[in-house]
Amino acid sequence: GAGVSQSPRYKVAKRGQDVALRCDPISGHVSLFWYQQALGQGPEFLTYFQNEAQLDKSGLPSDRFFAERPEGSVSTLKIQRTQQEDSAVYLCASSFRAYNEQFFGPGTRLTVL
Amino acid sequence: AQKVTQAQTEISVVEKEDVTLDCVYETRDTTYYLFWYKQPPSGELVFLIRRNSFDEQNEISGRYSWNFQKSTSSFNFTITASQVVDSAVYFCALSEARASDSGYALNFGKGTSLLVTP
Repeated sequence: GAGVSQSPRYKVAKRGQDVALRCDPISGHVSLFWYQQALGQGPEFLTYFQNEAQLDKSGLPSDRFFAERPEGSVSTLKIQRTQQEDSAVYLCASSFRAYNEQFFGPGTRLTVL
Repeated sequence: AQKVTQAQTEISVVEKEDVTLDCVYETRDTTYYLFWYKQPPSGELVFLIRRNSFDEQNEISGRYSWNFQKSTSSFNFTITASQVVDSAVYFCALSEARASDSGYALNFGKGTSLLVTP
């Protein structure tokens, strides 16, 4: 596809469940980012990959959050033992090079009950 | 501390009015990038413009124009002759050279919600 895709678009989880969110970046884009967007706020940085290497995970809110990009293309954000405060929209973005404009996917809206 | 401030939370205008969305940023880097994104009700962030810190030329793209002033650390966005389809949340964002290890991650403002009524 031409743009960044994410799945699922919506996810409802019970507190304590594990979830996995998928991101397919634009083909050829080296850089991949995950952001978290709370209601009424701007997106906040979670983590960054250059190809398969996770170069920065300083924005991950706790050790329950884990991201990977094993082949330098598709990425998965995993949240273990979900909590209500994890409810947010999770956005994935990719760019050709790190300092270029980032193109965003439609996001995954996670609701933790 | 917030690196990007969008002081206007909500703006409401009538179609065909001009509207300016303010953005003030804070950085100690000499090399940085500024961006504007649009987030319509569908939720997907749409890239509008990227500017580097060495290029202060104003830019016009159709009904959109941007005014970058380093002296006031501002990067304002004007929509001329607004249309209903312009209704969205608009985000200003900053990425800094010091954040190169984080891929020049974007620091977003809180956004300005623009409502254009017929």
